[in-house]
Amino acid sequence: SQTIHQWPATLVQPVGSPLSLECTVEGTSNPNLYWYRQAAGRGLQLLFYSVGIGQISSEVPQNLSASRPQDRQFILSSKKLLLSDSGFYLCARSLSGSGEQFFGPGTRLTVL
Amino acid sequence: KNQVEQSPQSLIILEGKNCTLQCNYTVSPFSNLRWYKQDTGRGPVSLTIMTFSENTKSNGRYTATLDADTKQSSLHITASQLSDSASYICVVSDDFGNEKLTFGTGTRLTIIP
Repeated sequence: SQTIHQWPATLVQPVGSPLSLECTVEGTSNPNLYWYRQAAGRGLQLLFYSVGIGQISSEVPQNLSASRPQDRQFILSSKKLLLSDSGFYLCARSLSGSGEQFFGPGTRLTVL
Repeated sequence: KNQVEQSPQSLIILEGKNCTLQCNYTVSPFSNLRWYKQDTGRGPVSLTIMTFSENTKSNGRYTATLDADTKQSSLHITASQLSDSASYICVVSDDFGNEKLTFGTGTRLTIIP
């Protein structure tokens, strides 16, 4: 089966601290990978997507960055968190051209 | 600007009743429309996906319709169950190759016994 893991499930961080969220995918090769943020009462916002190792496209300029060191690993990072970075972060995958995205369980980030 | 609007924002119905959720979009060019169910604190799960040529698609008690001319879609839930309580999100794709999606803000459905 094709599974998406996200770690950690919840995170509370102080303003100005660094961030690293991890997404790993099982059961598929060369997937397209995505990072989304879902703020309360708002739709999902695409942050980054990747079509392959080392290939990252940024959709929204901000203090976050993404990396794809391995085919099935997608990492979301920040050097200094802002209060506005609080939200629910979702990793998703799709097979190239399939028209379907599958989401991971999400990480709830609270910045204090 | 591509937009997806959903109504109502929230809905409360009795267990066993039917309901219909609405989605209007202004995404162009249109590729496909999906409905997702998102339980609180969980990732969205796909219910249906429809392309331009499809008018209706069912998944158990969920039936989605699409009118590409008026750019409207609906999700009908039949004989609601307590487990149907969730947010239902309408998502439209405007770029099949890169899968750039436009998300609605969702309808929060609550089923009461």
